[in-house]
Formats: sequence, structure tokens, C-alpha cells
Amino acid sequence: GAGVSQTPSNKVTEKGKYVELRCDPISGHTALYWYRQSLGQGPEFLIYFQGTGAADDSGLPNDRFFAVRPEGSVSTLKIQRTERGDSAVYLCASSSAGVTDTQYFGPGTRLTVL
Amino acid sequence: GQQLNQSPQSMFIQEGEDVSMNCTSSSIFNTWLWYKQDPGEGPVLLIALYKAGELTSNGRLTAQFGITRKDSFLNISASIPSDVGIYFCAGQLQGGSQGNLIFGKGTKLSVKP
Repeated sequence: GAGVSQTPSNKVTEKGKYVELRCDPISGHTALYWYRQSLGQGPEFLIYFQGTGAADDSGLPNDRFFAVRPEGSVSTLKIQRTERGDSAVYLCASSSAGVTDTQYFGPGTRLTVL
Repeated sequence: GQQLNQSPQSMFIQEGEDVSMNCTSSSIFNTWLWYKQDPGEGPVLLIALYKAGELTSNGRLTAQFGITRKDSFLNISASIPSDVGIYFCAGQLQGGSQGNLIFGKGTKLSVKP
């Protein structure tokens, strides 16, 4: 596709459940980023990948959150034992090479934990 | 997490007016970026600034990287209805991870037709 795509666009789950959020970056982009955006706030950094490896995961809030990018393209953000406070829009972005290159954002996945 | 201080929080202006918003921080930034976000969409980059004192324009938008490297402003001239949206500043902290952008809380712009 032409841009970053994220699936699902909306996810409603119950407290305690496990969820996976998927990001398809722009083809050829080596860097991939995950952010979380709560209502009325700016995006907050979670993790970024260069290729297959997580170059910085300092923004992951706790060990319930985990992300992978096994082939250096698609990435999955995994949240275990979801809590109501995890409700937010999860944004993915990608950039072509170095981290000074423009980050192109996807439309996000709106996660609601009941 | 750390966020930038962005102001104003919201603006409601007449079409054709000029708009100004800014971001400040107590920390030094290597890069300043300005994004616009429409409902249901991800942020879209408007302007990127890489040098202290840099002044860059993109159509009706002008942004500057403060000389202290702790602030930036964005001006929109002759606003039109499609300027409505939320504007975010973002920056790369000096000494921080290069992939980690820190965002402000946003300025919500509403324009009267």
C-alpha cells in the first residue's frame, strides 16, 4: 500500500484479555515506531525498531507490553492482561532509513478495554 | 513521560486571521517538528527544523527553531476552514534516543467560516 496501515482500526476487549495490534509499514522502510495516544494528549513513544531489532523500548509502560518485528517489515504490538487504563489509540509510524527521516504515521488502532 | 509545553491549548479564530502557537521545554532539543492531526487519522508532518535559529516555510505555514534550542513556534497566515485540526509540536531530545519523539499536548484550532 501507499501508506502505513494498521489493523484492526478498532478493538474492544474485556479487562484481562490479550490483544494484538498489527502495523504494516511503508514498503522498504527500515525503521518502525509505536506510540500511544490518550484522549486529549499527544502521542507518547513506546518502542522503535531498526530492522528486526528493538533499538529502544524504553517507552513500554510495563512487561505486559511487548512488540515484535520478526522479518523487519510487519510489526505486532502485544498487550497481555489488558487493563482499562490501556484504552487509547495506538499509532504506528515508519521511516525510510535513519531516524532523522520523516516518520509517516498510520491511522491508528483505537483500543477500548471494558 | 516527558512532554513539551504547548500553547495555547485551543484557538477559535476568524477565517483569514493569522495564527501563532508555540512549544517550550526546559530541555534542549536537536530537532523540532510540527504535525497536524485530523480526527481518526495519524499525525502528518508539516515542517521539520534541524538547526537552532532555522526559519522554514511551507506555504502559509512558517516555523522557527528557537536559538536556545528549547522552543519553537508555528505561524499560520490567512487561515482557512481546512486548517481546522490539532497541531502538535514534537522534538528529539538532546542526548535522548534518536527514534524517540517527544510530543506536546496539542493546540486545537477551530476556524469560523
